[in-house]
Amino acid sequence: GESVGLHLPTLSVQEGDNSIINCAYSNSASDYFIWYKQESGKGPQFIIDIRSNMDKRQGQRVTVLLNKTVKHLSLQIAATQPGDSAVYFCAENISGNEKLTFGTGTRLTIIP
Amino acid sequence: ETGVTQSPTHLIKTRGQQVTLRCSSQSGHNTVSWYQQALGQGPQFIFQYYREEENGRGNFPPRFSGLQFPNYSSELNVNALELDDSALYLCASSLGGSGNTIYFGEGSWLTVV
Repeated sequence: GESVGLHLPTLSVQEGDNSIINCAYSNSASDYFIWYKQESGKGPQFIIDIRSNMDKRQGQRVTVLLNKTVKHLSLQIAATQPGDSAVYFCAENISGNEKLTFGTGTRLTIIP
Repeated sequence: ETGVTQSPTHLIKTRGQQVTLRCSSQSGHNTVSWYQQALGQGPQFIFQYYREEENGRGNFPPRFSGLQFPNYSSELNVNALELDDSALYLCASSLGGSGNTIYFGEGSWLTVV
């Protein structure tokens, strides 16, 4: 069935280093993927998205990579800052259906 | 800020009671979805409303129901509350159509005792 999973539930990164958060998805019909950041007590905040006709997309300090062959998605955060501490979720979507399927999330902790 | 507002932010209910949660979507967004997020988990899709009609439903029982109004705001109603209904309820809005960005509100924290 549909599922989105994450390889690591927690990730600790030194401030200033780059962070890489990974995500596996199982539904080959999914064609739209989104990364959300969720800080404690808040709702998910949109970070970046990518459609299945792309394999890389860059934003401000963030890059999303999509490998459809192995159904893998990653979020790279450059020069990690204390404000990047949060839980990061990947979500998948199928065209024509705005339902998002989320994984359980990865908690990113920044070490000063 | 996403422009999606939810109320109330926190509430406590007793098992068996009913609750109504409200959501105002971002201006111009005609699609509203509701998600339930249990502690330590990712959000789970409850249902979606598009132009006042239910447009998809997740694996939730009928005691979870909703409405969308002509101004595209929405309500989530839960009857016969159970302890396991304790969660963060998230509203998300978007402009109808695939691949449009989906924005979430800050959620309503529901505790059932």
